[in-house]
Amino acid sequence: EAGVAQSPRYKIIEKRQSVAFWCNPISGHATLYWYQQILGQGPKLLIQFQNNGVVDDSQLPKDRFSAERLKGVDSTLKIQPAKLEDSAVYLCASSLGLAGETQYFGPGTRLLVL
Amino acid sequence: AQSVAQPEDQVNVAEGNPLTVKCTYSVSGNPYLFWYVQYPNRGLQFLLKYITGDNLVKGSYGFEAEFNKSQTSFHLKKPSALVSDSALYFCAVMRGANNLFFGTGTRLTVIP
Repeated sequence: EAGVAQSPRYKIIEKRQSVAFWCNPISGHATLYWYQQILGQGPKLLIQFQNNGVVDDSQLPKDRFSAERLKGVDSTLKIQPAKLEDSAVYLCASSLGLAGETQYFGPGTRLLVL
Repeated sequence: AQSVAQPEDQVNVAEGNPLTVKCTYSVSGNPYLFWYVQYPNRGLQFLLKYITGDNLVKGSYGFEAEFNKSQTSFHLKKPSALVSDSALYFCAVMRGANNLFFGTGTRLTVIP
């Protein structure tokens, strides 16, 4: 079974530029998550989708971050404009979405903002 | 609010010795607890979880964890450490919307 796919794996941009990350979840997983992992910290949830609807985006900086999952399968996370403090690894995960179900993570996208 | 804490940033253990990575939790109600491992430049890999039932949970790669309600702990253990176990370990608790709150991580180094 294929795992969670993410691209690109690495991205370097200058501050105030925009960037987009793509995620394709495990087939059949209704729930998709985006986490931000800053160096030396644990992952922090940015947004959670159930099919194509948003379940939780309370920690998403909505003035600069946006995400969509239009057809309920793959998802795109965008940052515009980027700030230095956005340098982090962006992890995508998916699960069946039921209570107690395991989340499976992709390899992540490492973003460096200069 | 649901949260977990990992009191140790770094744990060093000799190869072949037992290892313990600590995690304490703060939740209302019955917690769903998870352990993940992260190798360099890799995503998080699921090790094991506690949902209900037996307090001793067995997981991947010979790891196990014991859920202790009275001490609000969920420590990760392995009877005999391998050098290849060296990695970053995260404890997490599942919150109401079925997403995860992660601890700050513990870096495990197994010394040959």
